[in-house]
Amino acid sequence: EVQLVESGGGLVQPGGSLRLSCSASGFTFSSYAMHWVRQAPGKGLEYVSAISSNGGSTYYADSVKGRFTISRDNSKNTLYLQMSSLRAEDTAVYYCVKGDSSSWCPDYWGQGTLVTVSS
Amino acid sequence: DIQMTQSPSSLSASVGDRVTITCRASQGIRNDLGWYQQKPGKAPKRLIYAASSLQSGVPSRFSGSGSGTEFTLTISSLQPEDFATYYCLQHNSYPPWTFGQGTKVEIK
Repeated sequence: EVQLVESGGGLVQPGGSLRLSCSASGFTFSSYAMHWVRQAPGKGLEYVSAISSNGGSTYYADSVKGRFTISRDNSKNTLYLQMSSLRAEDTAVYYCVKGDSSSWCPDYWGQGTLVTVSS
Repeated sequence: DIQMTQSPSSLSASVGDRVTITCRASQGIRNDLGWYQQKPGKAPKRLIYAASSLQSGVPSRFSGSGSGTEFTLTISSLQPEDFATYYCLQHNSYPPWTFGQGTKVEIK
């Protein structure tokens, strides 16, 4: 069974930093692309970032480019999102999502971790 | 960026009704589209991939169709557990992957 467990969310002041982690199990983590998707309170889903299976390719939404960094440690089956220069509009539940085998299309989702940016 | 326009934004329906949700892409995306269901306070769950392929374990009352720029998600006979918000997602041209705005299916 695929399991994705996010951690690291919390309350942070504007301009601050936070690192999210996602621990993966139930599949061969090193074989799959991974994504971060977020959802602001009461709003729809927004793609944030993606990374290839070996970490060699990364992608970012324009809204986070230059502020967020996605990475992975395949030896630890863990995905990361380093967030800096946080803004109020980054407040959201952040989901770790596995890409499927052929197309990167997101398939399995974690339960999410809430990031609140407020003074 | 490819824009995904989803309609309607909400609908009211009764148990047993046939429900159709539409997503239109701003340019052709072949069949690179997924459909997701999200219940309140829960993570999304993929229902359909490659526009028309049913995710394992998803009831057969859910179906997807379309290619190019117009796609539909159909629930053939709405069940109580289907009341949720549904999203489409294109993964043809990225970044960014883009979601539709969502369709909230409510009880009439």
